[in-house]
Amino acid sequence: NAGVTQTPKFRVLKTGQSMTLLCAQDMNHEYMYWYRQDPGMGLRLIHYSVGEGTTAKGEVPDGYNVSRLKKQNFLLGLESAAPSQTSVYFCASSYPGLAGEVLNEQYFGPGTRLTVT
Amino acid sequence: GDSVTQMEGPVTLSEEAFLTINCTYTATGYPSLFWYVQYPGEGLQLLLKATKADDKGSNKGFEATYRKETTSFHLEKGSVQVSDSAVYFCALSESTNAGKSTFGDGTTLTVKP
Repeated sequence: NAGVTQTPKFRVLKTGQSMTLLCAQDMNHEYMYWYRQDPGMGLRLIHYSVGEGTTAKGEVPDGYNVSRLKKQNFLLGLESAAPSQTSVYFCASSYPGLAGEVLNEQYFGPGTRLTVT
Repeated sequence: GDSVTQMEGPVTLSEEAFLTINCTYTATGYPSLFWYVQYPGEGLQLLLKATKADDKGSNKGFEATYRKETTSFHLEKGSVQVSDSAVYFCALSESTNAGKSTFGDGTTLTVKP
């Protein structure tokens, strides 16, 4: 199993450009997440999905859009990149579990380092 | 809402020293608790977990016990190595939280030889 993979690993954008980050998981997980990680700010949830065809806003959704057309893929889009979106982006997936089991143990991808100039 | 508070870092220790990283939480129900570790340039990976009160999670010499009475899940290791240098995140997840987990801010550990 590859686990959670992210494409690309690195990217440099100019302000105003657009791009899509791709996340794929081969564990048949229901839930998927996009986080950003900035120095001194821990992990912040951007958007998440609890199933194919569904998405929801997290803590910092502005400037991002997502889609989950297939269960194994979760795409994060930046329509008009801004320098404030320079960050490391992590995708994660999990399964809900049942009562009495471990809930939402998350599996993370290796990250995408995005720089917006 | 849910919250996780971690001991502030950074923490610097000498090799073979004892490690404690404190973690306390606030939750409405009975969460699962986790410690994740992030090595430089990598994503987070699960270190250990616990699902109910008094459960002890353990892995790679690290341990943490789910203490419901003190709402804590402190991470400990008896003898750290240089290879343990990383960022450690405490987290919780509840069934009422629509699939989301709550993470602490992370504690950076540096172990010197």
